[in-house]
Amino acid sequence: KNQVEQSPQSLIILEGKNCTLQCNYTVSPFSNLRWYKQDTGRGPVSLTIMTFSENTKSNGRYTATLDADTKQSSLHITASQLSDSASYICVVSGPRGYSTLTFGKGTMLLVSP
Amino acid sequence: EPEVTQTPSHQVTQMGQEVILRCVPISNHLYFYWYRQILGQKVEFLVSFYNNEISEKSEIFDDQFSVERPDGSNFTLKIRSTKLEDSAMYFCASSPRDRNTEAFFGQGTRLTVV
Repeated sequence: KNQVEQSPQSLIILEGKNCTLQCNYTVSPFSNLRWYKQDTGRGPVSLTIMTFSENTKSNGRYTATLDADTKQSSLHITASQLSDSASYICVVSGPRGYSTLTFGKGTMLLVSP
Repeated sequence: EPEVTQTPSHQVTQMGQEVILRCVPISNHLYFYWYRQILGQKVEFLVSFYNNEISEKSEIFDDQFSVERPDGSNFTLKIRSTKLEDSAMYFCASSPRDRNTEAFFGQGTRLTVV
């Protein structure tokens, strides 16, 4: 069964600190892996999309890594800001595009002043 | 910046009633999707729509659900006879293509069935 597991479930960090969120998946076949940021009560917003041939991708202070051999991904947030407080969702796509997205439950990040 | 808009933001309905959730996708996008997120659970795929017909649907999308694009701009999800377990956040999304491209999600409609 296709699954996406994220850790930690929640995280509290001080403003300005860095953090790393983890994602393990068992989706096969695999097309791409995405990280989304979801503010409370809002829709998910895409941060990065990586295909199996990409090891790392950055979007400002967000850097995602992918190891397709071990089926693991991470999202590193640098110099956190209060506005980074949100749920970060790892989503893995199968070959049939958006109908085959498998969502993780997300990591709830709280950045404290 | 173009965005997907959904209305209403919150809908409360009695069990057994019909509801229609509305979405305006980004204007040059060709693929449209509905997802739902039950409180505290993962986002789940419901249905994809392309070229005025359903291209894929999940097992959740049973006969009580239907979608249509009545006027070339709005994309609607109808639930014919709501059940308590239909209470969830419903997200509409659109994308220019179906693979390896970014999909843009709306802000969601929170449906509460009482």
